[in-house]
Amino acid sequence: KQEVTQIPAALSVPEGENLVLNCSFTDSAIYNLQWFRQDPGKGLTSLLLIQSSQREQTSGRLNASLDKSSGRSTLYIAASQPGDSATYLCAVRWNSNSGYALNFGKGTSLLVT
Amino acid sequence: EPEVTQTPSHQVTQMGQEVILRCVPISNHLYFYWYRQILGQKVEFLVSFYNNEISEKSEIFDDQFSVERPDGSNFTLKIRSTKLEDSAMYFCASSERDSFFYEQYFGPGTRLTVT
Repeated sequence: KQEVTQIPAALSVPEGENLVLNCSFTDSAIYNLQWFRQDPGKGLTSLLLIQSSQREQTSGRLNASLDKSSGRSTLYIAASQPGDSATYLCAVRWNSNSGYALNFGKGTSLLVT
Repeated sequence: EPEVTQTPSHQVTQMGQEVILRCVPISNHLYFYWYRQILGQKVEFLVSFYNNEISEKSEIFDDQFSVERPDGSNFTLKIRSTKLEDSAMYFCASSERDSFFYEQYFGPGTRLTVT
């Protein structure tokens, strides 16, 4: 069964710290992987899209890497700020089905104090 | 910046009633999606829609659900006879021409409460 797993489920860090959020997926045959941010009771904000042929993508203080062969992606947040507090979701689009659906992990809830 | 909008933001309905959730995708996007998130659970795919047809649907999207693009701007999700377990946040999303390789942009969601 195709699954997306995010560890840890929750993370608390002091302001200024660099941090890494992890995402793993069971099937390496992906089109792409997308990282989102979700604030409580709100919608999903797309952060980064990384295609299967890419190794990483960067946007400001965010850097997402992809290792397809090991089924892993990481989201690196540099110099964390209290405004970064949110739930971060990883979503995979597999090419073993028609490929339209994003398949989400449960997310990592981040608190920056 | 263009964004996906959804109405209403919150809908309360009684079990067995029909509800229609509305979405206005980003204007030049051609692929449309509905997802849902039951409280405390992960976001789940319901259906994708392109060229006035369903292109993919999940097991959740049974005969009680339907989607429609009634005009050039709106995209709707109808639940014919709501159940308690339909209570969730429903998200609409859209993406550009080549769906597989473009980002999906999500709306703010409609919180559906079935009583």
